[in-house]
Amino acid sequence: AQSVAQPEDQVNVAEGNPLTVKCTYSVSGNPYLFWYVQYPNRGLQFLLKYITGDNLVKGSYGFEAEFNKSQTSFHLKKPSALVSDSALYFCAVTPRTNAGNNRKLIWGLGTSLAVNP
Amino acid sequence: DTEVTQTPKHLVMGMTNKKSLKCEQHMGHRAMYWYKQKAKKPPELMFVYSYEKLSINESVPSRFSPECPNSSLLNLHLHALQPEDSALYLCASSLTGIGQGWEPQHFGDGTRLSIL
Repeated sequence: AQSVAQPEDQVNVAEGNPLTVKCTYSVSGNPYLFWYVQYPNRGLQFLLKYITGDNLVKGSYGFEAEFNKSQTSFHLKKPSALVSDSALYFCAVTPRTNAGNNRKLIWGLGTSLAVNP
Repeated sequence: DTEVTQTPKHLVMGMTNKKSLKCEQHMGHRAMYWYKQKAKKPPELMFVYSYEKLSINESVPSRFSPECPNSSLLNLHLHALQPEDSALYLCASSLTGIGQGWEPQHFGDGTRLSIL
């Protein structure tokens, strides 16, 4: 079965320190990869995506993600965390080999990021 | 501010009530989605409309009835819901249909639904 894993339920980091939120996937082919963030009492916001090309993708709010094909990973990173980055982060993939209605997002279970002042 | 607007933000209803959730977007997107989300869990896809036609129904119980009156509006009609239907209901949109898997989805802030 195709799946997305976010191995850490919670990540704690001090403000100003770099942060990493991990994501690995088990999906055939070369899927499209996404990160979304959900702030408290809000909907999900698109952060960034990988389709093809450079393995380092830059997104909103200073976030970036590194695609590693051999490790089937797409880790989210930020050089210097802010308290306002505290939120729930979801990794999601769309299988590239599927077609039409089968190109639904496969979601990870989410990682709660807490940035401490 | 999100570009997908959902109303109401909160809704409390009894199990015998009929109510509707509304979603609106003016980005010219042609695909619209309904998701159900439980606390601290990923969203679960319910329905997808592509070019105003229902293209995906994820075996959702008939007490949930979607409607897409035009390309900017999406409704979810609720009737005889159960307590386990209490959740955050999210609407999303994307530029074209779900078949374009590289397009990100844009979410509203949701309607928090409580069933008494």
